[in-house]
Amino acid sequence: GESVGLHLPTLSVQEGDNSIINCAYSNSASDYFIWYKQESGKGPQFIIDIRSNMDKRQGQRVTVLLNKTVKHLSLQIAATQPGDSAVYFCAENIAGGYQKVTFGTGTKLQVIP
Amino acid sequence: GAVVSQHPSRVICKSGTSVKIECRSLDFQATTMFWYRQFPKKSLMLMATSNEGSKATYEQGVEKDKFLINHASLTLSTLTVTSAHPEDSSFYICSARKQSVGELFFGEGSRLTVL
Repeated sequence: GESVGLHLPTLSVQEGDNSIINCAYSNSASDYFIWYKQESGKGPQFIIDIRSNMDKRQGQRVTVLLNKTVKHLSLQIAATQPGDSAVYFCAENIAGGYQKVTFGTGTKLQVIP
Repeated sequence: GAVVSQHPSRVICKSGTSVKIECRSLDFQATTMFWYRQFPKKSLMLMATSNEGSKATYEQGVEKDKFLINHASLTLSTLTVTSAHPEDSSFYICSARKQSVGELFFGEGSRLTVL
């Protein structure tokens, strides 16, 4: 399944399928991007990050793709499992005098057993 | 891995009182700490960026006199919600990073309820 975060805040996928969560960022000065997973009532957990001099990075079952031309970031989760159900946020590090990290809207991923 | 501890995890207070939330990096020195606020089913909203030994940088629209941030050491930052009102009820989350650019490590959050 595929989601555009701002317009489709909930993504439902069948267990075992691949998930794609999308994120648009706005600041061209952003130089570092992070995907976080948040379960209900808890703080965000780091999933994977990517620097702006890269366009792809792979982790265990996850891949992040960065397209700086259109300011777009995506998170691909392979073989989605019930434990992947959570809200996923992309975050961008905005370079400047004070480095700061701001979060996107978020996408809720629901895995159907 | 790096651990950030936040305390208290839940606090209930009366309107008009002040509440202090602590954020500690347990196994690393944090050059920068961030404070976020999160409403139900919403994203994290950055409130302020805190560097050790200097004044916090607040985001636009965040009242610095309302939300006092102190970053006294490389392992501790505190957020004090002064004269709390019911609209201040929220989930407050802190994060810390080791380097100027890099992964943020998050605390488990503090849920504030103001009666």
